[in-house]
Formats: sequence, C-alpha cells, structure tokens
Amino acid sequence: GEQVEQRPPHLSVREGDSAVITCTYTDPNSYYFFWYKQEPGASLQLLMKVFSSTEINEGQGFTVLLNKKDKRLSLNLTAAHPGDSAAYFCAVSPYGNEKITFGAGTKLTIKP
Amino acid sequence: DAAVTQKPRYLIKMKGQEAEMKCIPEKGHTAVFWYQQKQSKELKFLIYFQNQQPLDQIDMVKERFSAVCPSSSLCSLGIRTCEAEDSALYLCSSGQQNTLYFGAGTRLSVL
Repeated sequence: GEQVEQRPPHLSVREGDSAVITCTYTDPNSYYFFWYKQEPGASLQLLMKVFSSTEINEGQGFTVLLNKKDKRLSLNLTAAHPGDSAAYFCAVSPYGNEKITFGAGTKLTIKP
Repeated sequence: DAAVTQKPRYLIKMKGQEAEMKCIPEKGHTAVFWYQQKQSKELKFLIYFQNQQPLDQIDMVKERFSAVCPSSSLCSLGIRTCEAEDSALYLCSSGQQNTLYFGAGTRLSVL
C-alpha cells in the first residue's frame, strides 16, 4: 500500500523566515494531495488540496509544490508568523479511491 | 469549511468501562473515517465507512471497538472495555471526492 514519509518531525524557525516541510510518497497512481494544519488542542483544518495535474499551488503566505517525477510534495511557508505555529500533516490519495494516507506530521514552532 | 460534529468533546472513563462517541458527518458526504491521535502526534487510521458500510478497519477495532453508521447522518465509535492505552483524541472525518473534513474530536481519558 501507499507509504508517506514526512520530514522533518520538528521544525523551529524565526518569525519572518521561511519554512519547508516535505513529504515523499510511493504510489505512482497518487492523484490528490493535501496539506492539513492542526493548531494546539484543535482539529485538522484543510489548508490546500492539490491535483496531480498542477505542480505549483499558492495560498495565503504559502506555496505547495508537487514533483511527480520524484514523488515529492512540499509546503513552503514564506515569512512565517506566530499564527503559523502548528502541526502540519500531508495526505495522499489515489484517483477514484477515498482511502487517504497521512504523513506522520511536522510540529512547526515560530520563534519571535 | 464543512461541518462535521462530534460529541462529546471530552469523555472520562475508568479502566474496564464502556465508552461511546458520536459523529454527525457533513450532509451529503458518503465517506466517514475514524482516526486515533495520541499527544498531537501521527493519525492512526481506525475504520472507514462508505455509504454507511465498513470497508476497512484495523485489527484493534475488530477486537475491542464497535463502530457503526446506522444512518447517513450519524456514526458512532465505541470501546467495549476501556484500557489506559485508549486515552487519545478520536477524530471523525467525512468527505467525498477524495477530500476529508474533520470534526473537533472527542478527547478520551481512561483513568
């Protein structure tokens, strides 16, 4: 079955700096890719959904890159601010199948 | 954001007691997943329903849990005999078209 490896497990950056979280997956049929954010004590909030056909997606303050050749998905936060402190989870799903595989998560801390 | 409702938010049980938590999926969502999360770490998949039918579940759920979706608007996850290791946040998510939305979770403490 699908294996998703997420790195790093912990990341600490200063306010205003950038942060990068990466996931690698194994199933070449993977088609949907997700990033979720979990603030302390809260549930998971969908940050972005990416389709296999799109390599670059931008949100408010972050960019998601998909490299299908290397089977790698990354979340790039630009100019991190305290509100970005949270756990981030990537998730991967094949086309036509609801089964979603999650990465182990990255705990991101933004230092003042 | 979709609205997935979970109740109760907090649950305290003694070892050996039964526990039950409920989930109201987002209207129209055909897939329901339950996950267990300990200490804000990785999500552990428990069971997956599609159109109220269980399609996949781990052995632990088969052995000690009970999970049903008697209607499209209500699912429940139960633990027949709580153990200390069951203390965790239980997250219900529903979705369709491969996108999951999560409820706030039920935090179970087993004393």
